[in-house]
Amino acid sequence: DIQMTQSPSTLSASVGDSVTITCRASQSISGWLAWYQLKPGNAPKLLISKASNLQTGVPSNFSASGSGTDFTLTINSLQPDDFASYYCLQYNTYPWSFGQGTRVEIK
Amino acid sequence: QAQLVQSGAEVKKPGASVKVSCKVSGYSLKDLSMHWVRLRPGKGLEYMGGLDPADGVPIYSQRFQGRLTMTEDTSTDTAYMELSSLTFDDTGVYFCAIDLSGGYSSMDVWGKGTAVTISS
Repeated sequence: DIQMTQSPSTLSASVGDSVTITCRASQSISGWLAWYQLKPGNAPKLLISKASNLQTGVPSNFSASGSGTDFTLTINSLQPDDFASYYCLQYNTYPWSFGQGTRVEIK
Repeated sequence: QAQLVQSGAEVKKPGASVKVSCKVSGYSLKDLSMHWVRLRPGKGLEYMGGLDPADGVPIYSQRFQGRLTMTEDTSTDTAYMELSSLTFDDTGVYFCAIDLSGGYSSMDVWGKGTAVTISS
């Protein structure tokens, strides 16, 4: 199985800050990487697919990039609704696999 | 619009099996690739397995090999996830999810999750 290493595990920030989360694959996954947001009691929400494509309805303060093995998710100007957990997912090779997750908490 | 409706919460004893269902509406299951994801308390999302659209064969993550069975009833557009030899460590919420984009987006529509509690 492909291993996904995500960092940091926790991030403390304030409203208005910009934060970056990284995800590294154990082998090349081309651009087949998605980012999800998870809030307590809810199902995961797909934010970004194919490494950098923002899903319809996702605020424009979210952006992502990367290819091969290294990927980043950037949240600019953090809003109160953005404090949540974030996960990367590789879907290049079955079985797919998630990173360990990053909890973005209020400082 | 696609919707996934999962079965209700379950309480099981260690060693038992649990079978969770996921009914698709708005689309035909035979045209989709169904996936299952787990979230345990205090842990991260875990990809359990999915149907490889190339050949229709389910592919399971290594940690669930031998205990996980994914099946489908296309006549009722319902998918099933059965996990056997349950331990306390299997307590969590189990989600089904589909990809409507034909492979481009990964999992873009999700069920609300089914809580499974393992208790003696």
